[in-house]
Amino acid sequence: ETGVTQSPTHLIKTRGQQVTLRCSSQSGHNTVSWYQQALGQGPQFIFQYYREEENGRGNFPPRFSGLQFPNYSSELNVNALELDDSALYLCASSTPGANTEAFFGQGTRLTVV
Amino acid sequence: QQQVKQSPQSLIVQKGGISIINCAYENTAFDYFPWYQQFPGKGPALLIAIRPDVSEKKEGRFTISFNKSAKQFSLHIMDSQPGDSATYFCAASTTGGYNKLIFGAGTRLAVHP
Repeated sequence: ETGVTQSPTHLIKTRGQQVTLRCSSQSGHNTVSWYQQALGQGPQFIFQYYREEENGRGNFPPRFSGLQFPNYSSELNVNALELDDSALYLCASSTPGANTEAFFGQGTRLTVV
Repeated sequence: QQQVKQSPQSLIVQKGGISIINCAYENTAFDYFPWYQQFPGKGPALLIAIRPDVSEKKEGRFTISFNKSAKQFSLHIMDSQPGDSATYFCAASTTGGYNKLIFGAGTRLAVHP
């Protein structure tokens, strides 16, 4: 098991609502990345946070936003939920720098109905 | 250019056999190629990774073969065991930026006793 914890593990929301997912990074890791994994697909990069600032973003609309706190934990916020947002949301923590090992949490399963 | 193509989608191997999963990429700037293993209900976990300055890397029963000219890399699982049954993802990323992983679509491996 990695030291990355995510909460909640499962969540059901209604289309149009807003959701906040949380991630605690592994000790010593100050970089957090978020990924969306649709059923039967590989994870897709949403964005990364380093030192409380967004450090890179994938091809996701602005209604996907995030925060990183001084203790390096992070939140993923999704506004105006759509049915297609139903997925497993994964948080990964790493040390700074390119190509360092990313440690994933167990994910939050979001279902939008 | 950002895509990583993975095959096969699913694979059935008898216990003790060799499992082979292949990936291909287009972006020649990729210089880090990890393989992740994911069990149901869990996040992906790093198995083994390679950089393009070597053609092969072995860790226990797991071997990555890398062909830079063909822009292909593969995972070989020797002496496959039922406990290896999981979904495997290849991924790629580039140095010189944040640690953004581009994942393949995954291969569901079933090892039959």
